[in-house]
Amino acid sequence: EVQLLESGGGLVQPGGSLRLSCAASGFDFSNHVMSWVRQAPGKGLQWVSAINSVGTASYAGSVEGRFTISRDNSKNTLFLQMNSLRVEDTALYYCVKEFCSSSSCYGDFWGQGTLVTVSS
Amino acid sequence: QSVLTQPPSVSGAPGQRVTISCTGSTSNIGAGYDVHWYQQLPGTAPKLLIYGDTNRPSGVPDRFSGSKSGTSASLAITGLQAEDEADYYCQSYDKSLSGSYVFGTGTKVTVL
Repeated sequence: EVQLLESGGGLVQPGGSLRLSCAASGFDFSNHVMSWVRQAPGKGLQWVSAINSVGTASYAGSVEGRFTISRDNSKNTLFLQMNSLRVEDTALYYCVKEFCSSSSCYGDFWGQGTLVTVSS
Repeated sequence: QSVLTQPPSVSGAPGQRVTISCTGSTSNIGAGYDVHWYQQLPGTAPKLLIYGDTNRPSGVPDRFSGSKSGTSASLAITGLQAEDEADYYCQSYDKSLSGSYVFGTGTKVTVL
């Protein structure tokens, strides 16, 4: 059974940092693209970042230069280092397992999310 | 601001058919990139509903179907049921944006 367990969320002041983790199990983590998707309270889904099996990363423009995605394939864990946090980064952050074909990737399994609140 | 536009809400009576549009442009859907759909029940994480424009994952009822034409895609729900009341999001790839994954603005389906 696929499981994705996010942790590391919390309350942080503007300008602060947080590191999110996602512990994965039930599938071959090292061979899957993984991503982070966020959802601000009462709002829609927003893609944040993705990383492939060899560590190549991509980011949404709104977080590029502030967030860093990484993975530890030996520990089946995905990370999101978030620096210079802004009030508008407040959201529930989902860890997503991606299935990638030759034509596209899609999230075939989602964690339950970890809440990040940026407020003074 | 999303580059994929969906109607904020649609509604229908039990048993009816409803459709949700997802309007993009020539840099995403119109460029031929796949469209995927997700269902988010209240208070839960999103769940994959349709992948690769028209395909249903195992376990998704055949009441749900997807289609694509030009710069738009659609999700249809036939035989609407109370448990279909949820938010629905389309997703695609956009070659003009940093990072390139994009979600639609989301549609709330209400069963009357």
